[in-house]
Amino acid sequence: DVKVTQSSRYLVKRTGEKVFLECVQDMDHENMFWYRQDPGLGLRLIYFSYDVKMKEKGDIPEGYSVSREKKERFSLILESASTNQTSMYLCASSFGGGFYPYGYTFGSGTRLTVV
Amino acid sequence: KNEVEQSPQNLTAQEGEFITINCSYSVGISALHWLQQHPGGGIVSLFMLSSGKKKHGRLIATINIQEKHSSLHITASHPRDSAVYICAVISGSARQLTFGSGTQLTVLP
Repeated sequence: DVKVTQSSRYLVKRTGEKVFLECVQDMDHENMFWYRQDPGLGLRLIYFSYDVKMKEKGDIPEGYSVSREKKERFSLILESASTNQTSMYLCASSFGGGFYPYGYTFGSGTRLTVV
Repeated sequence: KNEVEQSPQNLTAQEGEFITINCSYSVGISALHWLQQHPGGGIVSLFMLSSGKKKHGRLIATINIQEKHSSLHITASHPRDSAVYICAVISGSARQLTFGSGTQLTVLP
């Protein structure tokens, strides 16, 4: 069964801490994405990557960075966590590009609370 | 204006009812996804459509490209169908999804 695995389901961190959210996929997908989901705002794209060592900003990249050193792993980094980054974070991956991307697979989410 | 609009936002049904959730979009698309999110957060892709109709068990998804509209139908609904259903589109050469705001479905026994 193909999978996108996020390292933690629940995480509590203190304001100012550096936080790493890890995402691993086993489908040899080219594309990987980090979203956050907030009540009333839906899913919003933070960063995405189409290839190893490649990254592009999404709609809300401020306060975040990413790393993709290997094809299967895409990390989201909160350089200095703040309470407004308390949210559900979802990782996804997909195969293909151009006009025919398909096979979106989502992870089970990480609910991050910053106190 | 949101590029992807879903209706209704909330839907409560009795077990056994036929359910329809609608999605309209304002951009040209290459594909549309219907996603399901259960409490606890994980999202499952139910369908990807670029034309016509797809069926999987009690779920049916249709898309009308000319009218920029898609529907998700659930036949013989069951309490375990209770979830948030999200429509998402891929437009042009972009690879990322643009999401609707979701429909919270509650099916009562």
